[in-house]
Amino acid sequence: KAGVTQTPRYLIKTRGQQVTLSCSPISGHRSVSWYQQTPGQGLQFLFEYFSETQRNKGNFPGRFSGRQFSNSRSEMNVSTLELGDSALYLCASSSGTSGRQRETQYFGPGTRLLVL
Amino acid sequence: KNQVEQSPQSLIILEGKNCTLQCNYTVSPFSNLRWYKQDTGRGPVSLTIMTFSENTKSNGRYTATLDADTKQSSLHITASQLSDSASYICVVIEPSGGGADGLTFGKGTHLIIQP
Repeated sequence: KAGVTQTPRYLIKTRGQQVTLSCSPISGHRSVSWYQQTPGQGLQFLFEYFSETQRNKGNFPGRFSGRQFSNSRSEMNVSTLELGDSALYLCASSSGTSGRQRETQYFGPGTRLLVL
Repeated sequence: KNQVEQSPQSLIILEGKNCTLQCNYTVSPFSNLRWYKQDTGRGPVSLTIMTFSENTKSNGRYTATLDADTKQSSLHITASQLSDSASYICVVIEPSGGGADGLTFGKGTHLIIQP
């Protein structure tokens, strides 16, 4: 089985712009979670989707949004980019209804976003 | 506020030696505790998942232990290899419905294996 894929892998944007990141989960996985990773804060949970419904959301401003499509692929969007949004954005999928259950989460390689 | 503290922040050991990484947490109750390995430039890879009722879980040369009374977990790596050089992250997950967030991550231990 192919792993979790994320596109693009690298992205450079300027402040004020918006960005959309894409994630394709492992075939058959319907739960997708997004995380932000920075050197200072480490990993932080953004949101989780199952069957096109957002199940959980982390403590991020409304500029961060996401959605999941009927084929389980997911996108996240960040509007009005700030310098502090520079980070590695990771997507993970699992076979259960939630990545918080005992099923293993499988992470993609991430999208590295640099905001100038 | 829930916290997960990992120690040491960084560790250098010689190839073939054993090491133990620590994870202390305040999250209570919790659903499960996970250890991940993250190579530079890659996404994390799951090593172990333990519920609050499990004391130990192994995955090859990796063995995680959990003491729910003292709220401590450790990851022991046996006979280290160069490929073990990575960051190791501890995550404590609250039961479903445990709040909007429900996941508390440690900052990780950066492990370097020297030949």
